[in-house]
Amino acid sequence: GESVGLHLPTLSVQEGDNSIINCAYSNSASDYFIWYKQESGKGPQFIIDIRSNMDKRQGQRVTVLLNKTVKHLSLQIAATQPGDSAVYFCAENTPLDSNYQLIWGAGTKLIIKP
Amino acid sequence: KAGVTQTPRYLIKTRGQQVTLSCSPISGHRSVSWYQQTPGQGLQFLFEYFSETQRNKGNFPGRFSGRQFSNSRSEMNVSTLELGDSALYLCASSRTSGTNEQFFGPGTRLTVL
Repeated sequence: GESVGLHLPTLSVQEGDNSIINCAYSNSASDYFIWYKQESGKGPQFIIDIRSNMDKRQGQRVTVLLNKTVKHLSLQIAATQPGDSAVYFCAENTPLDSNYQLIWGAGTKLIIKP
Repeated sequence: KAGVTQTPRYLIKTRGQQVTLSCSPISGHRSVSWYQQTPGQGLQFLFEYFSETQRNKGNFPGRFSGRQFSNSRSEMNVSTLELGDSALYLCASSRTSGTNEQFFGPGTRLTVL
């Protein structure tokens, strides 16, 4: 089946630097992509989303880039703070059995170095 | 507005037993999705309910089932528990079915001994 994968399972970033978390997806028919953040002991929390008819979307300190040519998604976090420490998941909304389903990647753990 | 609540938060069962987990969505949300999360794995989709009807189902055995009530609260049941069923079970609610921002509860940590 189709899958969403992450290039790096763990990413260490200096506090104040920018973080870039990458994600590859395999279904070119996916129409919607989401980034979630999961802190220890909590459920995932929505960060930002992007539809397939866009290539960039910005939020507060976060930017999502979508490259449909190479089926790649990235999350950029500006001026990384200790509170950004978490596991980050990308998910793609992909057609499956005449419906759509969110397929999640395995996650990338972001570690902030003081 | 209260968030998604899940009960119980922690549960310990033995192999062969069954378990029922409960999820109360955000008020006004009619869609509830269930996920299984295990260490090193992403979230694995179990099923989605919308207006008391199962709209979508993941690739899990029939031991995993669910239902939704008229007030949108949902339960999932796992029968004949196996060791591999130990996981964090997450519930997420959204206003409608389909492409939509989902709000997650804190999860129920199930341990099967």
